[in-house]
Amino acid sequence: QQPVQSPQAVILREGEDAVINCSSSKALYSVHWYRQKHGEAPVFLMILLKGGEQKGHDKISASFNEKKQQSSLYLTASQLSYSGTYFCGTLVSGNTGKLIFGQGTTLQVKP
Amino acid sequence: DSGVTQTPKHLITATGQRVTLRCSPRSGDLSVYWYQQSLDQGLQFLIQYYNGEERAKGNILERFSAQQFPDLHSELNLSSLELGDSALYFCASSDFPGSQQFFGPGTRLTVL
Repeated sequence: QQPVQSPQAVILREGEDAVINCSSSKALYSVHWYRQKHGEAPVFLMILLKGGEQKGHDKISASFNEKKQQSSLYLTASQLSYSGTYFCGTLVSGNTGKLIFGQGTTLQVKP
Repeated sequence: DSGVTQTPKHLITATGQRVTLRCSPRSGDLSVYWYQQSLDQGLQFLIQYYNGEERAKGNILERFSAQQFPDLHSELNLSSLELGDSALYFCASSDFPGSQQFFGPGTRLTVL
């Protein structure tokens, strides 16, 4: 079952913050976050394993609430380069890489 | 550059035809994945191979088949093509199942 992402679209000014949520109805092994720019391949951002860990990469961080099967991606002090479509991908087992992606959240950062 | 290569970059063909998409994973990666991305369906997992064997399957049509060869490159075969098969097809690779996946640049298939 496809995870649900919210919001579907976000428009920000440079320097503003955003949160993208990903919710699954299934018990998850891990959550993967990717960013895709128009016409390009998805680029890996981070993986969160069950255990409620939080990870960060520059000004982008994420959390995973194993009990709620929810993950959130936090973008702080957004830059123009953050524009793109963000996908969460969920894994129910660590034995496969069968990522089921959400429908995506389009983020547009304006000057 | 992710290190994953895909050929061809673009493919235009007619309904009813058969095409083969090729993928070379990053050096050392044993897992290869195929995804289909269309406007109305998002990124859809098709199939995964690990070290030559099928590891996981998604909603892949019976008209589609794939394999991974001893040198670890993979091919996705699409037959009896329909208009609805027009999409971007991505290949990704990882060192082991469950780890981060590196996506290739994709093959854009247009069926006329």
